[in-house]
Amino acid sequence: GENVEQHPSTLSVQEGDSAVIKCTYSDSASNYFPWYKQELGKGPQLIIDIRSNVGEKKDQRIAVTLNKTAKHFSLHITETQPEDSAVYFCAASINGQFYFGTGTSLTVIP
Amino acid sequence: GAVVSQHPSRVICKSGTSVKIECRSLDFQATTMFWYRQFPKQSLMLMATSNEGSKATYEQGVEKDKFLINHASLTLSTLTVTSAHPEDSSFYICSARFTGEGYTFGSGTRLTVV
Repeated sequence: GENVEQHPSTLSVQEGDSAVIKCTYSDSASNYFPWYKQELGKGPQLIIDIRSNVGEKKDQRIAVTLNKTAKHFSLHITETQPEDSAVYFCAASINGQFYFGTGTSLTVIP
Repeated sequence: GAVVSQHPSRVICKSGTSVKIECRSLDFQATTMFWYRQFPKQSLMLMATSNEGSKATYEQGVEKDKFLINHASLTLSTLTVTSAHPEDSSFYICSARFTGEGYTFGSGTRLTVV
């Protein structure tokens, strides 16, 4: 089955700096790569996604890049704000089944 | 749009009893729903895939007799944890596919077995 690895597990940045979270996947059949933000006690919320036919996607302060050859994808958050503090999960999807990374706890220090 | 309502949000039950968790798609029909389990400070692990009108498909290592899944209609899937034990305490989350590759998650259920 698919194996998704995510790094780093924890990340602290100063407000206004950028944050980068990286994931790798193992199954070349994966074709959809969403990123989720999860706040304490709540379900994951989709923040951005990318499909296997696209290399980069941007939505305001958030961007995702995908390298299919290397089987890795990354989340970039620019101009971080304290409300960006949460746990972020990457995922790789095959036919609707999601395989999640282990999560990154992001702390933005005011 | 594309909201999945999950209930209850929290439940505490005694060891040996059963607990039912519901996920409803409010404004779309969900032919497929997925059930995940999340331990504290860990990632979501897919437990099973639920298809309307047919038997659920369980991931390796998930006991199908312990985690009963029913997807009797296009808007409702239920997960029943039978004969719950403290080690079943976890955060359970459902998700549903609403269009193309669009998926939405429920808000989760915190199960505590005492």
